[in-house]
Order: sequence, then structure tokens, then C-alpha cells
Amino acid sequence: AQSVTQPDIHITVSEGASLELRCNYSYGATPYLFWYVQSPGQGLQLLLKYFSGDTLVQGIKGFEAEFKRSQSSFNLRKPSVHWSDAAEYFCAVVGGGYQKVTFGTGTKLQVIP
Amino acid sequence: SAVISQKPSRDICQRGTSLTIQCQVDSQVTMMFWYRQQPGQSLTLIATANQGSEATYESGFVIDKFPISRPNLTFSTLTVSNMSPEDSSIYLCSAVGTGGTEAFFGQGTRLTVV
Repeated sequence: AQSVTQPDIHITVSEGASLELRCNYSYGATPYLFWYVQSPGQGLQLLLKYFSGDTLVQGIKGFEAEFKRSQSSFNLRKPSVHWSDAAEYFCAVVGGGYQKVTFGTGTKLQVIP
Repeated sequence: SAVISQKPSRDICQRGTSLTIQCQVDSQVTMMFWYRQQPGQSLTLIATANQGSEATYESGFVIDKFPISRPNLTFSTLTVSNMSPEDSSIYLCSAVGTGGTEAFFGQGTRLTVV
């Protein structure tokens, strides 16, 4: 069965600093990988996704993620964090053929001035 | 893309009662799902809503507690039955478009059981 691990429950960064959120997945074949963001009181918004091809994917709001098969990782990065990026971030994996989405436990990002 | 409207957005209910949550998608979608997000937790899949047939439930969730309907390709309901305080959560509807490359989410229903 597929699974996702986000080892960091909570991260605090200063505004303008770089950010990396970690995600490790477990799946037998090539997975479909996603990063979602959830602002307080809001639904989920897709930041970016990886299906195949270039392992570095660009998303909205200046985010990018890199798929590393050898490490079973799909870490999310942003070179300069803005205060509005404070939210909870979820990594997710889907099996081939688009079945159910399995989410990680989430990482709550706090941005300090 | 698909826009999902979910209602109610929030409710406070008495224990022992039931609440039905509605999910409307603005375009035809292949698959619809219902998730629960307990306070401070991630999202857990409750079930896949199948059009015209019984929903497919995940381990730990049963039809008697969470009956689901999906009468057509754009609409589904989730009922939380005989509620207890432990059912206090955010319930989210999700849909996958015909392209099958992205899951869209509603804004969620914040349920508090007192």
C-alpha cells in the first residue's frame, strides 16, 4: 500500500529565507506526487504535481519540488518565503490509474518577520 | 479544472443527531471522494462515492455511520449519523476530473458535535 511521510510537523522560518519541506513516499511503481497547501479555515489548493518527465517541477506561488527516485523523496522548496506562505502543507501520493489520494501528516509552516 | 461547492460550511450539532453534507461539482467528474480531517490531523479517506451504486468504504468506516449517495456525475452527499463529539472534524469532498491528473477539493464542512 502507498504511504507518505512528512517528518517535520512544524517549521518556522524568517520572511525572505529559503524553505524546504520534506516528503518521503512508499509505492511500488512510479507514483503520482502532489503538494497541497491549506490556509487556516480554507480547503486544499494544489501547488504542484509530478507524473513523469523532468524531475524538477515548478508550481504556483514560486514553489518547486524535486522528485528523487533513489531517495523516494519529493521535497518542496521556495527560495524566499513570504508571510502569506504561512499555512499547512500536505504531500500526497496516488497510485497509477488515479485511485485514491493518500496524504502525509502535514507540515505547519510559520513565518516570522 | 473543477469548482466544488460544499455546504454547509460549518455546523454545530447535538450528539445523537445526523447531518448531511452536500457536494456539488461544476463539471462532470469521474471520481468523487469524501475525506475527514480531525483537529490537528491530516486527511483520511472515508470512502469513494460511486455513481449509481454503493460507496466503497475504507477500513474503519462503515455505511451505517457514513451513508453516501451519488445520484449523478456532479453531486454527492455524506451523512454523519448518530453523531458523538468524536465526530467533530472537517469533512472534505474531493473530485477527480475526466483527465484524471488532479484532485480538486471543496472548502470543507467544519462540524462540531456538542
